[in-house]
Amino acid sequence: EVHLLESGGGQVRPGESLRLSCVTSGITYSDYSLNWVRQAPGKGLEWVSSISPSGTHGYYADSVKGRFSVSRDDAKKSLYLQLNSVRAEDTGLYFCAAAICRSGDCYTFDFWGQGTPVTVAS
Amino acid sequence: IQMTQSPSSVSASVGDTVTITCRASQDISRWLGWFQHGPGRAPKVLISDATSLQNGVSSRFSGSGSGTEFTLTITSLQPEDFGIYYCLQVKSFPLTFGGGTRVEI
Repeated sequence: EVHLLESGGGQVRPGESLRLSCVTSGITYSDYSLNWVRQAPGKGLEWVSSISPSGTHGYYADSVKGRFSVSRDDAKKSLYLQLNSVRAEDTGLYFCAAAICRSGDCYTFDFWGQGTPVTVAS
Repeated sequence: IQMTQSPSSVSASVGDTVTITCRASQDISRWLGWFQHGPGRAPKVLISDATSLQNGVSSRFSGSGSGTEFTLTITSLQPEDFGIYYCLQVKSFPLTFGGGTRVEI
């Protein structure tokens, strides 16, 4: 059975930093891109960041580029998101999601975690 | 790539058929998925590659389309189908979701 479990959320002040984690199990880790999606209160889903199966390539939404950093640890089968210089608009529930990749193409998000909440407030 | 989803909400009765549409601002071939998101739950993939029903998903759900026009159809609507539905294009970065469709039973 596949599980993705996020952690690390919490309340921080504007300008501070936070590190989110996502531990995976039940998937062939090296076959999947790993992704972060967030949902602001009362809003829809927003893609935040993705990292390739090899960890070589990271991609970011314009709204977080230069402030957030994505990484993965093969040994721990984990995904991370470092949030720096956070803003009020970064508040939301952060989900990790896994997408199968074949021959260089990655498909839609097959598996999701339950999310970890981030609140940015002074 | 912008994804325009409609309608933003729909109210339907048990047994009805509901159709949700996503329009892409450029050709994305079949690089599209559909998701159901219930309150307090993780989003669940229903359809991948625009038309492929995911394992374990009811056959009441079906997807169609390619290029720029895509449709999710839910037939014989059931109470457990309540929630918000999203499309997601995975053709190119930045990945983009549609704005969501709230289905009220």
